[in-house]
Amino acid sequence: NAGVMQNPRHLVRRRGQEARLRCSPMKGHSHVYWYRQLPEEGLKFMVYLQKENIIDESGMPKERFSAEFPKEGPSILRIQQVVRGDSAAYFCASSPRTGVSSPLHFGNGTRLTVT
Amino acid sequence: DQQVKQNSPSLSVQEGRISILNCDYTNSMFDYFLWYKKYPAEGPTFLISISSIKDKNEDGRFTVFLNKSAKHLSLHIVPSQPGDSAVYFCAARKDTGNQFYFGTGTSLTVIP
Repeated sequence: NAGVMQNPRHLVRRRGQEARLRCSPMKGHSHVYWYRQLPEEGLKFMVYLQKENIIDESGMPKERFSAEFPKEGPSILRIQQVVRGDSAAYFCASSPRTGVSSPLHFGNGTRLTVT
Repeated sequence: DQQVKQNSPSLSVQEGRISILNCDYTNSMFDYFLWYKKYPAEGPTFLISISSIKDKNEDGRFTVFLNKSAKHLSLHIVPSQPGDSAVYFCAARKDTGNQFYFGTGTSLTVIP
C-alpha cells in the first residue's frame, strides 16, 4: 500500500463545502482508478484515468463530482457542495498498464466526513 | 446490480485449519479474477489472481480456484493464522473493460 499515496487521510467538511482528495500513483504507473466504499458496503468504481485523459467515468455521480490526472502532479478527485451522503472512504488505485494480468494497487484511502 | 457477490459476510476459523472464502459472479465476460485483503483503516492489498484460462493458482498458503461453468471462485488459506484476520474482497474484470468489480467482502476471524 505504501506505493500509492493518498492525502489527506482524514478530511472533515461541512455541508456545502468542497472536498479535494489527492492521489499519487506508484512510480511507473500511469493508470489511476478511484473507488468509494460506503459504510458496510463493498468498493464501488467511480472513474478511471490515464495521464490527462478520463477513460471511464461511468461510476461517477453526474453532478458535483469531477476527477483529473494532469500531466504533472497527482490525480485529484473533487467533490463540490458536499452532502452527508458523500461521507465514505475514497480509495485510489494504480496500475502500470491495462491488461488482463495487471492487478490494482491501492492507497490507504481518504476518509471523508461531512458534518 | 451486484455482478460479484460474496454471500458470507463473516467467517470464523480455528488457527491451523483451512479457511475457504467464496465468491460468485454473474457476468460471463469476466476473465480475470483477484482476491484482496483489507485491514481496518488501510487500503486493500492484492493477494492473488487467476485468469480464466486456468482453474487453479497457488501462492504459498493461498490458493484460488475458479469454476467457470458455475461462475464461482474460492480462496483457500491453509493453514490459517491469526494475522490472516481481515476483510477479503474478490474482484473481477472483463477482458475488454476498465472496471474491476468488487464483492462486498467477507470478514475472516482466525481464532488462536
